Amino acid sequence: GAVVSQHPSRVICKSGTSVKIECRSLDFQATTMFWYRQFPKQSLMLMATSNEGSKATYEQGVEKDKFLINHASLTLSTLTVTSAHPEDSSFYICSARGPRDRSEKLFFGSGTQLSVL
Amino acid sequence: SQKIEQNSEALNIQEGKTATLTCNYTNYSPAYLQWYRQDPGRGPVFLLLIRENEKEKRKERLKVTFDTTLKQSLFHITASQPADSATYLCAETTDSWGKLQFGAGTQVVVTP
Repeated sequence: GAVVSQHPSRVICKSGTSVKIECRSLDFQATTMFWYRQFPKQSLMLMATSNEGSKATYEQGVEKDKFLINHASLTLSTLTVTSAHPEDSSFYICSARGPRDRSEKLFFGSGTQLSVL
Repeated sequence: SQKIEQNSEALNIQEGKTATLTCNYTNYSPAYLQWYRQDPGRGPVFLLLIRENEKEKRKERLKVTFDTTLKQSLFHITASQPADSATYLCAETTDSWGKLQFGAGTQVVVTP
């Protein structure tokens, strides 16, 4: 099956700093990737849809300038949390639809636990 | 707008029994529903997909049903094992890009 690799798995940072999370499709090309956020005991909330070579589409209520998404190649999308604050502490997960975006199911990365002090 | 509702209470079940989880949607009937498993601190893993015109889908010990009249999907784990302990998420596709809207998930705890 398609493999999505996400790094880092865990990051602790000081308030005000920026953190970059990488999401790679290892054995397939992904035109579209999705970024989700999950708070403890809650569901995954879609943050944005990342499209290769174009600007990301953000969900309502998600700050574009705070959560910068770059999808520069068919195998890599990055999420940068800028000027992080404690309320940004959460579990961030990326996903892709699989080879050539033809799969209806999503393949998820292992997630990144962000803790902002 | 569409909401995906799952029972938030954990389901405690004895090994060997069948676990049944419920997923209800509130508005339109989705073209298909998907079920995922999520372990603590990990990303979800796809389990099963059932289309609107399918009544039932099976995969090994897993079974999913789709009832458009009741606006409900049921997820069954038969002959449950402690290794089945996890949170199970129901999701529907909201657009042509394939982005999913998830329910809150139901935690299943299988005790020996």
